[in-house]
Amino acid sequence: DTEVTQTPKHLVMGMTNKKSLKCEQHMGHRAMYWYKQKAKKPPELMFVYSYEKLSINESVPSRFSPECPNSSLLNLHLHALQPEDSALYLCASSPPSAPYEQYFGPGTRLTVT
Amino acid sequence: RKEVEQDPGPFNVPEGATVAFNCTYSNSASQSFFWYRQDCRKEPKLLMSVYSSGNEDGRFTAQLNRASQYISLLIRDSKLSDSATYLCVVTVKAAGNKLTFGGGTRVLVKP
Repeated sequence: DTEVTQTPKHLVMGMTNKKSLKCEQHMGHRAMYWYKQKAKKPPELMFVYSYEKLSINESVPSRFSPECPNSSLLNLHLHALQPEDSALYLCASSPPSAPYEQYFGPGTRLTVT
Repeated sequence: RKEVEQDPGPFNVPEGATVAFNCTYSNSASQSFFWYRQDCRKEPKLLMSVYSSGNEDGRFTAQLNRASQYISLLIRDSKLSDSATYLCVVTVKAAGNKLTFGGGTRVLVKP
């Protein structure tokens, strides 16, 4: 199994909603990442989990809350988002031996209304 | 100045032709270098690592010039399926597992 899966593929939510994005990998990778990507821009790193501990938070607003329940799963909890948070949210993972060789999931396309 | 800069393109390339483009980086402490490829509305995928001695993978050749702080990607015998955005990625050891992406170079291969 050499893929990262993400659910849902698309999500539309209002500014008062609470929703969660899910990411899963079964490659034995011990680092997992959340990125945000706007149209025609490169991915922007949000969070890094290494061995299930949060190691990098790129000053992301608290309305985004990551969670790593185990080494295969990564969640991103969303609450009180703004329309400018609409973007493609990408999850990635990497093996301990090659932390820069990141495998990306297909992303969740989020629209905040 | 951006940490990693790329010509956004698009580079319009006839099928079968060769195309090359560069990426410059500003941090002299940059340690590792990669090219990722992203198709329209898809996720980025690792294309190749870039080594100091240069490396080749089929029709793709990557070069690193540390003195001038740039990396390059050359695509020979371009295929229609090579149409994509090519993202230059640089890492700095002190930044942990963080990838720093360039803005991407768009390549359109036309028949």
